[in-house]
Amino acid sequence: QVQLVQSGAEVKKPGASVKVSCKASGYTFTGYYMHWVRQAPGQGLEWVAYINLNSGGATYAQKFQGSVTVTRDTSISTVYMELSRLTSDDTAVYYCVRGVGAPNYYDYWGQGTLVTVSS
Amino acid sequence: EIVLTQSPGTLSLSPGERATLSCRASQSVSSYLAWFQQKPGQAPRLLIYGASSRAPGIPDRFSGSGSGTDFTLTISRLEPEDFAVYYCQQYGTSPRTFGQGTKVEVK
Repeated sequence: QVQLVQSGAEVKKPGASVKVSCKASGYTFTGYYMHWVRQAPGQGLEWVAYINLNSGGATYAQKFQGSVTVTRDTSISTVYMELSRLTSDDTAVYYCVRGVGAPNYYDYWGQGTLVTVSS
Repeated sequence: EIVLTQSPGTLSLSPGERATLSCRASQSVSSYLAWFQQKPGQAPRLLIYGASSRAPGIPDRFSGSGSGTDFTLTISRLEPEDFAVYYCQQYGTSPRTFGQGTKVEVK
């Protein structure tokens, strides 16, 4: 069965960076895309970026260009999202989400990783 | 970017009743519209994609309709486990955007 298992919660200070991982299993890793979606406390959902797991090419929402980097390691079926220059506005749960179809819709979600930015 | 407006913000209903949720797009998204259910402390779950296709394992009391700019998610008879927040999302145009959510609560 498809599983996306994310790394644990993080607490960071403003200006720091954080790297969240998402390990996939139960399917052919390079046959899909992986997206990142975030949800601030008590708020709605916001698309951050996606990566083509075959080519490694990533596409970012405009507001996150320059502050987010998404990469993957096909040898361990893991995707990474690094956020730099953190501010309190980046406090949120970050989800990795498998993208399927053309255009991608989201069929499986990770459990989420809470990133808290606080001085 | 395409703005999705969901209505109502909150829907207060009793188990067994019919729920009708609306999602309106600021411009056409064709049929590239999905619906998700989210319960407290959980990740969203895909219910509907392509505006009207049910995801695997989703009960047939959930149905989606619409195309272009106006979409509807219908829950024919609410079960206790259906009380949650529902989001629509368009995935045909970048950036992908979500509606603000409709909370279905117990009356």
